[in-house]
Amino acid sequence: GDSVTQMEGPVTLSEEAFLTINCTYTATGYPSLFWYVQYPGEGLQLLLKATKADDKGSNKGFEATYRKETTSFHLEKGSVQVSDSAVYFCALSETSGSRLTFGEGTQLTVNP
Amino acid sequence: NAGVTQTPKFQVLKTGQSMTLQCAQDMNHEYMSWYRQDPGMGLRLIHYSVGAGITDQGEVPNGYNVSRSTTEDFPLRLLSAAPSQTSVYFCASSYPSKGGYGYTFGSGTRLTVV
Repeated sequence: GDSVTQMEGPVTLSEEAFLTINCTYTATGYPSLFWYVQYPGEGLQLLLKATKADDKGSNKGFEATYRKETTSFHLEKGSVQVSDSAVYFCALSETSGSRLTFGEGTQLTVNP
Repeated sequence: NAGVTQTPKFQVLKTGQSMTLQCAQDMNHEYMSWYRQDPGMGLRLIHYSVGAGITDQGEVPNGYNVSRSTTEDFPLRLLSAAPSQTSVYFCASSYPSKGGYGYTFGSGTRLTVV
């Protein structure tokens, strides 16, 4: 079945550091790929998504590119802020769009 | 539009009790799904539905029951609560969107089974 693997966390960075959170997936067909963010005590917010190979999703300074050849969707940000501290989830939606498969989540802490 | 509404937001149950977590959406989305979130395990799919009268099991269906009598509602029933069902539960609906699908999540129900 479909699966998503995220880099092991947690990740702790200083403000203005470069962020990469790795995400790889296994799926049949042509899934859509997502990054969700969850701030402390809150629900899930869509951060960005990509629906086909080589698409780049971007939002709030975060970017991720759908790489079919490496089955990856790594999340990057050039300069993180304290307010980016949250849990980040990589997810995929199979072709029918009826459900999501999530990675384990990566806790990011940004220190001033 | 209210989006996806989950009730209650918090619940404490005793082992062996039953309860229903409610999920309702007002966007006429055909697809709905339930997930549970546990530390270090991400969100895992419990059950999902592709339309009224049609449901299917996800990754962790044991101990849960669902039905979909209308497009709007997709309740999740715990038949006999166990401490292992202590978790945060999220309901979602999905819709076609620009080459793929978009998902709308409810705000979650935090369930504690003692």
